[in-house]
Amino acid sequence: EAGVAQSPRYKIIEKRQSVAFWCNPISGHATLYWYQQILGQGPKLLIQFQNNGVVDDSQLPKDRFSAERLKGVDSTLKIQPAKLEDSAVYLCASSPNLGVAFFGQGTRLTVV
Amino acid sequence: DQQVKQNSPSLSVQEGRISILNCDYTNSMFDYFLWYKKYPAEGPTFLISISSIKDKNEDGRFTVFLNKSAKHLSLHIVPSQPGDSAVYFCAARVTSGTYKYIFGTGTRLKVLA
Repeated sequence: EAGVAQSPRYKIIEKRQSVAFWCNPISGHATLYWYQQILGQGPKLLIQFQNNGVVDDSQLPKDRFSAERLKGVDSTLKIQPAKLEDSAVYLCASSPNLGVAFFGQGTRLTVV
Repeated sequence: DQQVKQNSPSLSVQEGRISILNCDYTNSMFDYFLWYKKYPAEGPTFLISISSIKDKNEDGRFTVFLNKSAKHLSLHIVPSQPGDSAVYFCAARVTSGTYKYIFGTGTRLKVLA
């Protein structure tokens, strides 16, 4: 069974630039999560989708971050404009209803 | 407000001995707890879980214990192997409308050969 796919693996951008990350969850998983993991900290939930609807985006900085999940499958997370403090690993995870969340390898973002 | 806490940032254990990783939580609404293992440059990998209605779950060398009254869980690895060296995250699930996972800050385990 294929796992959660994310791209790109690494990205370096200058502050105030824009960046987008892509996630393809495990087939059939209704729930998709985007987490931000800053160095030395645990993953922090940014946004959670159930199919193509948002169920929790309480910790998403909506002035600069946006996310969508078209057709309830793939998802993109965008940052515009990026700040230095956005440097982190962005993790996508998916789960079946009531199930364990499985993570992708993450995208390491460096903002300079 | 850190609802899931891992107070030991690192732990070193000799190969063959027991590793014990601890996790404390504050929210009584958590109904499911998980441990994830993370190697460098990889995403967290699910290791073992426990429902709040149980106090122990075992899978091979890994056992998770849950003490609800103390709001504490622990992961025991016996015997520890060098390949177990990784960062271990404790996570708790809130089941109130959504299934939201909240993670601790992680404990870096180093198993010495």
